[in-house]
Amino acid sequence: GAGVSQSPSNKVTEKGKDVELRCDPISGHTALYWYRQRLGQGLEFLIYFQGNSAPDKSGLPSDRFSAERTGESVSTLTIQRTQQEDSAVYLCASSRHRQGAANTGELFFGEGSRLTVL
Amino acid sequence: KNEVEQSPQNLTAQEGEFITINCSYSVGISALHWLQQHPGGGIVSLFMLSSGKKKHGRLIATINIQEKHSSLHITASHPRDSAVYICAVHSGGGADGLTFGKGTHLIIQP
Repeated sequence: GAGVSQSPSNKVTEKGKDVELRCDPISGHTALYWYRQRLGQGLEFLIYFQGNSAPDKSGLPSDRFSAERTGESVSTLTIQRTQQEDSAVYLCASSRHRQGAANTGELFFGEGSRLTVL
Repeated sequence: KNEVEQSPQNLTAQEGEFITINCSYSVGISALHWLQQHPGGGIVSLFMLSSGKKKHGRLIATINIQEKHSSLHITASHPRDSAVYICAVHSGGGADGLTFGKGTHLIIQP
């Protein structure tokens, strides 16, 4: 597609339920990032995928959070047993190159998935 | 860990005014991003720069590596420029190496 696509755009769930968020990166972008933005807060890094390498999960806040990506395509972020503090906008971004490499890639963000946990 | 400070936190100006948003960081970087986030919307990358100056339309971004400082300028500001502007720096360390500022809330009044 022309841009990074995320779904659902909005999700309201009850505390304790599992949710799955999806990100379709720009075709050809090897790097994919998940970020979180709580209301009134800055962006918080969650997880990073680069090609077929093992993902960097150092930003995941707890073991209730997990993410998968098949090759250089779609990624899903799963939150199990949701808590109210999980309420946030979950943003996905992709880039052509890995951040930190000689050719640092421009980031392209999706519109985000707004999660509300009641 | 890099500390990224943006100023001002909030800025309200009249249409047509020249706008400057500042970003300072504490540790040397390899690249700096300026991002724009509209209310209720996603984030758009405006600039990525590692030295000098870049211009796109009415937007200009500059960076001074020695002073660890970058500025984003908007000329002939318009109400549609109202958004949150976020500075993010890549320090080359950590998972994604990106540290975000808290953003500058800009409102341009007609």
